Amino acid sequence: EAGVAQSPRYKIIEKRQSVAFWCNPISGHATLYWYQQILGQGPKLLIQFQNNGVVDDSQLPKDRFSAERLKGVDSTLKIQPAKLEDSAVYLCASSSGVAGGPNEQFFGPGTRLTVL
Amino acid sequence: QQPVQSPQAVILREGEDAVINCSSSKALYSVHWYRQKHGEAPVFLMILLKGGEQKGHEKISASFNEKKQQSSLYLTASQLSYSGTYFCGTEGPENYGQNFVFGPGTRLSVLP
Repeated sequence: EAGVAQSPRYKIIEKRQSVAFWCNPISGHATLYWYQQILGQGPKLLIQFQNNGVVDDSQLPKDRFSAERLKGVDSTLKIQPAKLEDSAVYLCASSSGVAGGPNEQFFGPGTRLTVL
Repeated sequence: QQPVQSPQAVILREGEDAVINCSSSKALYSVHWYRQKHGEAPVFLMILLKGGEQKGHEKISASFNEKKQQSSLYLTASQLSYSGTYFCGTEGPENYGQNFVFGPGTRLSVLP
C-alpha cells in the first residue's frame, strides 16, 4: 500500500513570494490533515478535511494561507505572501475517517520550507 | 487547547525504563501516541479510548485515565531504536476527529 505522498520535499523562497504544497493521501482515506511543524515544537493542525469538506480550520491564518481538496482526494496548501515566520516543515497526514472508528494518522515525508 | 507533556526530555541507558505523561484540561475521547525521529515524519504507536483502556505494542504500552484526562506511555527495557520525540495527540470530547491537537513532545535519548 502506497503511503502519503508530498511534494516538493524542500522549498526556498524569498519573503512575500508565494508557494504551494501538494499532498496525495493513502487511497481510500477520507480524512486529510495539514500541519505546520516549527523546529522543536509539536505539529500544529492548520486544516482538516473530511472528503472535500473542511472540518477544522480554526488555526489556519486565512489572510495568507489557503487549502483545497476539490475532489476529496489530493490537496494543495498555498501561502501567499510568505513571511519569515512561515519557515517550517509542512506535514500532510491522512486517516481512514471511518465514522465511529479509531483514526490513526499516517504522515507523509513533509515539505521543508525556508523563507529568506 | 494543547495537552501538557512531561518530562520535556529524558536520557536513558539501554535497558532502562521510562514513563511519559500527557494531560489535558478538557474532556477527551481518545489519546494518540506518535514517535518522531530526527528529520522524519511522526509514526503512529497507538490509540487509547476513553474507558481507561491500556494497550501494548512490543515493549511500549500506555494507559488512559478518562477521569483525570491523563495518559501515560511506558517504555520498558528501552532500546537504542526508541530514541526520538514522543508526541501525544488528543481529540474529543465526543468522538474521533474532533479538535485534534498534538502536545509539545518529549525528547527521549537512549544511550548505549
